[in-house]
Amino acid sequence: QTVVTQEPSLTVSPGGTVTLTCASSTGPVTSGYYPAWFQQKPGRAPRALIYSVSNKHSWTPTRFSGSLLGGKAALTLSDVQPEDEAEYYCLLYFVDSQVFGGGTKLTVL
Amino acid sequence: QITVMESGPTVVKPTQTLTLTCTFSGFSLTTSGVGVGWIRQSPGKALEWLALIYWDDDKRYSPSLKTRLTITKDTSKNQVVLTMTDMDPVDTATYFCAHHDTRDYVKGYNFWGQGTLVTVSS
Repeated sequence: QTVVTQEPSLTVSPGGTVTLTCASSTGPVTSGYYPAWFQQKPGRAPRALIYSVSNKHSWTPTRFSGSLLGGKAALTLSDVQPEDEAEYYCLLYFVDSQVFGGGTKLTVL
Repeated sequence: QITVMESGPTVVKPTQTLTLTCTFSGFSLTTSGVGVGWIRQSPGKALEWLALIYWDDDKRYSPSLKTRLTITKDTSKNQVVLTMTDMDPVDTATYFCAHHDTRDYVKGYNFWGQGTLVTVSS
């Protein structure tokens, strides 16, 4: 069974920068996995942020960016705002299925 | 404006079959590159991808749940239905449906419903 791994939790100060990563048990994450990122706040549905590695939706704040970094997908938040405190999930596409990561709880403190 | 909304029972008994409906507007499931997927989230847990149906009726299922899931579409009603057999208390979760877009890039799940909580209990 394919496992997608994220940092369980990260803490960042307001105005700081933080990078969340997403790894696959099958090997290095490449653009062919079409990595996507979602933000979820308590009691809310997930909100799409990034698709196909680094593409932003029209509603995605410019401080969010996606990339590939050291064999993983990465989500970087710059100039972090208090409202960025949330759970972040990555999603990877495999041949016949998709798998979400376990999520990263981001605390802004 | 794309909207999707889940509906179905709030409680099902163990061993029963769950039937959930996703009703959508703002797009057509006959449009090339468009799909609708189902994702669930157990209380306090991570998102779990379940199934996806494409405009051409191609279907994808989670390997671990494949034997229990069926996804179908009714384009005339703008609905997608997910059935899950042999429900167990561990299937207690909020079930989300979402619009899936691969028309240009793989934009993926860009519009989500609010989710519906399903509790499995006798």
